Amino acid sequence: QVQLVESGGGVVHPGRSLRLSCAASGFTFSNYAIHWVRQAPGKGLEWVAVITYDGSVKNYADSVKGRFTISRDNSKDTLFLQMNSLSANDTAVYYCAKDKGDRSYFDYWGQGTLVTVSS
Amino acid sequence: QSALTQPASVSGSPGQSITISCTGTSSDVGNYDLVSWYQQHPGKAPKLIIYEDIKRPSGLSNRFSGSKSGNTASLTISGLQAEDEADYYCSSYAGSSTWVFGGGTKLTVL
Repeated sequence: QVQLVESGGGVVHPGRSLRLSCAASGFTFSNYAIHWVRQAPGKGLEWVAVITYDGSVKNYADSVKGRFTISRDNSKDTLFLQMNSLSANDTAVYYCAKDKGDRSYFDYWGQGTLVTVSS
Repeated sequence: QSALTQPASVSGSPGQSITISCTGTSSDVGNYDLVSWYQQHPGKAPKLIIYEDIKRPSGLSNRFSGSKSGNTASLTISGLQAEDEADYYCSSYAGSSTWVFGGGTKLTVL
């Protein structure tokens, strides 16, 4: 069965960096686009970033563009999100979500990892 | 990248039907057959319940149905059950490898 397991969350000071990981199993990771979606405490879902199956196309929400970098290692079935210049507005649960194909919709989600930006 | 518009809350009694609307623009909802809906129970990850505007994942109850007209998509849940109480989010592809979500709707089963 499809499994996505995020890790790397925690408490970080404003302005610092954090790297999230998402380990995939149960499907051919290298065949699918993968997304990061976040949810601030008590708030709705916000799409953050996408990377195509081969890493050739990456795109970001305006709120994180220039600060976050999405990447993947298809040899290790793992997705990453490098987050720099963090602010309190980035405090959220970060989910990785598998795309049904190549940029369509989110058919499977991980359980999420909490990032708290606080001094 | 403006959020899609959903009602903040809806409610219904067991056995009744409810409909949640999701309004976007001609650049997202109205331009692609890629509206999806997600159910989220407290403390849990979202779960796909409708994709490509009207399709239901295999094994999902046929009490859930989707529709779309112009720039507005809708989710209907018929025969409400207590376990349907959750937050519901719509999402749409918005072109140029971007996606947008609605603000979410809290469903209360009375």
